[in-house]
Amino acid sequence: QSVLTQPPSVSGAPGQRVTISCTGSSTNIGAGYDVHWYQQPPGTAPKLLIYVNNNRPSGVPDRFSGSKSGTSASLAISGLQAEDEADYYCQSYDRSLGGSVFGTGTKVTVL
Amino acid sequence: QLQLQESGPGLVKPSETLSLTCTVSGDSIRNENYYWGWIRQPPGKGLEWIGTIYYSGSTYYNPSFKSRVTKSVDTSKNQFSLKLSTVTAADTAVYYCARQSVSSTYWFFDLWGRGTLVTVSS
Repeated sequence: QSVLTQPPSVSGAPGQRVTISCTGSSTNIGAGYDVHWYQQPPGTAPKLLIYVNNNRPSGVPDRFSGSKSGTSASLAISGLQAEDEADYYCQSYDRSLGGSVFGTGTKVTVL
Repeated sequence: QLQLQESGPGLVKPSETLSLTCTVSGDSIRNENYYWGWIRQPPGKGLEWIGTIYYSGSTYYNPSFKSRVTKSVDTSKNQFSLKLSTVTAADTAVYYCARQSVSSTYWFFDLWGRGTLVTVSS
């Protein structure tokens, strides 16, 4: 039931910069609702990575950054490291749903 | 240190009711700044929001589950619960509970439990 679309996978060499897009619509991101990002390494629970578009919780490296524009948002990972291999999900509020929606998820592979 | 822990049966028969409880430690479930949510993840698939509850009992459900789901909160035990009725194999998933921050422009889940796998099978 995801209404936020992400690319299935992105990859990069160690040290490179990768970006993940999150495309929504006029009922969620485009309506002005904030976007949040989660990191989920294999076999573990999701962890909040970015909240309210571009804020990092304590302990999250500044290699991770978020942005939002129009009906889309992006997560950038600079200085890619092996430990960054994980699934990443965007999330927002959708007013037609009356609750939370998640992105389709993106698998990041470090080559 | 805040922790959330899901508990419940790992195996449920088709057409029966799935019941899960989330125990919160390190913070009060009556904290007015937070809501409490359930999210699930079928094997190999993405995340899906099920519902959200406030300590006062206000609830918000994903319309996909609305007719089958019930959430409740027990402030005396610092727990909140999920019941999903008439389950099928499609309800097989890892179920997570999470603390949720809510405002007029955002909903996000800042702390998650480790998750519990529920399998629906006869």
